[in-house]
Order: sequence, then structure tokens, then C-alpha cells
Amino acid sequence: QVQLVQSGAEVKKPGASVRISCKTSGDSFTHWMHWVRQAPGEGLEWMGVINPSGDTTVYSQKFQGRVTMTRDTATDTVYMELSSLRSGDTAVYFCARDTSVADTCWWFDPWGQGTLVTVSS
Amino acid sequence: SSELTQDPAVSVALGQRVRITCQGDSLRKYCASWYQQKPGQAPILVLYGENYRPSGIPDRFSGSTSGNTASLTITGAQAEDEADYYCQSRVNGRDPWVFGGGTKLTVL
Repeated sequence: QVQLVQSGAEVKKPGASVRISCKTSGDSFTHWMHWVRQAPGEGLEWMGVINPSGDTTVYSQKFQGRVTMTRDTATDTVYMELSSLRSGDTAVYFCARDTSVADTCWWFDPWGQGTLVTVSS
Repeated sequence: SSELTQDPAVSVALGQRVRITCQGDSLRKYCASWYQQKPGQAPILVLYGENYRPSGIPDRFSGSTSGNTASLTITGAQAEDEADYYCQSRVNGRDPWVFGGGTKLTVL
């Protein structure tokens, strides 16, 4: 059973950075990995994706310049760092494994359990 | 605003059929996938490739696409199906992947 296990909750001050980890298992090292966030009471928001080797990333324009996704292939762990945090970044952050077929169908499965990041002074 | 549009809320009587829709131009080219999320939990995949169910998802969940609209249908809704449902697809827009705004399903 493939599992994605994320690091624990974080409390940060405005202007700080946060780094969240997502430990993968199974054959996840061959998959692209996405990050998605969900602010309190809001919907899902795609943040970006990293390829299996960790040398290619695609970021949402909303987070470009503030987000960095990396991957440690030795430990099958992906990381997402978000900088210049503000109160609006308070959210649960999820990692999710990508699967695609024929360049027309993509789906995210499984998902990590989520990491709550609270930004407060 | 999302490039995939969902109704914010839908209700269904216990045991009846309900359809949740997702509209977007990208759906003419790319598949939709669907996720169920219950309060305090991570989303789970319920449909992919338009009408494939992952292992463990009941067969009362089905999917289809017509033109620019993808649909998730629950035939014989159960109390445990009460949740938020999100569609997701690849898009040719500002960002390559987007989610719909989500539909809150209430089972009466």
C-alpha cells in the first residue's frame, strides 16, 4: 500500500519560511509529486509539482518566487518550502502522487495526511 | 476564479441518485478526476480517467463527460457519501492543473 507521510504542524511568524516534508513509499519515486493547499473553509489550491529525479519543477504563478520544491531520491522524500509567509498562507498543505495516461488524464493518488501551517504574530 | 466550475452545494435524499457537475473548456481535451473530502481528512480519489474507480470505491460512484461538462453520479446515495467533492483536470491556462471550487453534498 502506497503511503505518503508528511511532517507535523508548524507555527510561523509573518515573514518566516516553512519547509514541509513528504515521505513516500512503494514505487512513488517514479512519480511526479504535487503540492496542494487548503485554507480554512476553502477549496483545494494547486501549488506545484516536481518530477521523479527532482530536476524539474512547475509552480503555480500565484506562488512563483516564494515556493521551492525539492526531492531527495536517496530517502524518497519530497519537500516544499514556502517563504515570506503571511496570514493568508495559514492552511493545510498536502502532497499527492501524480499518475497520468496518454497525456490526457491525470489524477492525484494517494495524498499525504496534510500538514497544518499557522502563520501568526 | 477557477477554470473548472462546480455548484457550491447539492442535496440528495438517502438512497436516491445525485449528479455533481464540473464545467470547463479544458474538459473537451483532458479527463476529469474526482475527489471526496470529509471534514478534517485528506481528499481521496473516487474517480479517474472519467469513469474508473480506485480499489475500495463503491460501484455506486460513476463518471461521464459530455462536451465541456464532467459529471460524478452517485446512484443510491448513502449517509457516508456526505462530503465535499472536487473535480480536477489539466488545463491550458495560467496553471497546468486546477481544481474546481468544490461541491458540498448533503444527504437528507
